[in-house]
Amino acid sequence: SQQGEEDPQALSIQEGENATMNCSYKTSINNLQWYRQNSGRGLVHLILIRSNEREKHSGRLRVTLDTSKKSSSLLITASRAADTASYFCATTGFQKLVFGTGTRLLVSP
Amino acid sequence: NAGVTQTPKFQVLKTGQSMTLQCAQDMNHNSMYWYRQDPGMGLRLIYYSASEGTTDKGEVPNGYNVSRLNKREFSLRLESAAPSQTSVYFCASSAGTGNSGNQPQHFGDGTRLSIL
Repeated sequence: SQQGEEDPQALSIQEGENATMNCSYKTSINNLQWYRQNSGRGLVHLILIRSNEREKHSGRLRVTLDTSKKSSSLLITASRAADTASYFCATTGFQKLVFGTGTRLLVSP
Repeated sequence: NAGVTQTPKFQVLKTGQSMTLQCAQDMNHNSMYWYRQDPGMGLRLIYYSASEGTTDKGEVPNGYNVSRLNKREFSLRLESAAPSQTSVYFCASSAGTGNSGNQPQHFGDGTRLSIL
């Protein structure tokens, strides 16, 4: 069974715009991770945010975590065509890492 | 630095055939994982290995066996392939221990397996 659920399932934007993806989960977590998957490739780790952290940045990526709402968001600022990919959240609960079903992002030039 | 290498990249099998998917990592990681990815299902854990010589079942282990040959290599075997096992299989490794998810996982590029 999936722990994290991403929203929206698909997102289409223009280059230069910001992209926001959300992840909701059901049970308490130790940390939450975001991954990117380009078509035909494996997943690439983007950011890990721990349960006692509220926000984390990495380049054009900003991740927030609200444990009271059991949700996280991934913001990609000034998106580029190369950001076109699927994005997955993965939650860690009791000795278990579980992936969501992903958001497909399309960035058009 | 190759990271996680999976072979083969593509394979077509007939129902009932057997097959071993190979995975090797060169990052000296303790933990290794096998996932399958199906449309609309995300990634589901088949088996994982917290260290050389140990393996544990994940969410969907039925129909599969694994071997942690040494610290670098972790293989996945389908003894009698079924059409329901048509999927993309990913191997991953992590510096963390077990399936605690306290460290990032590093993925190979997958094996696309079709079973007719």
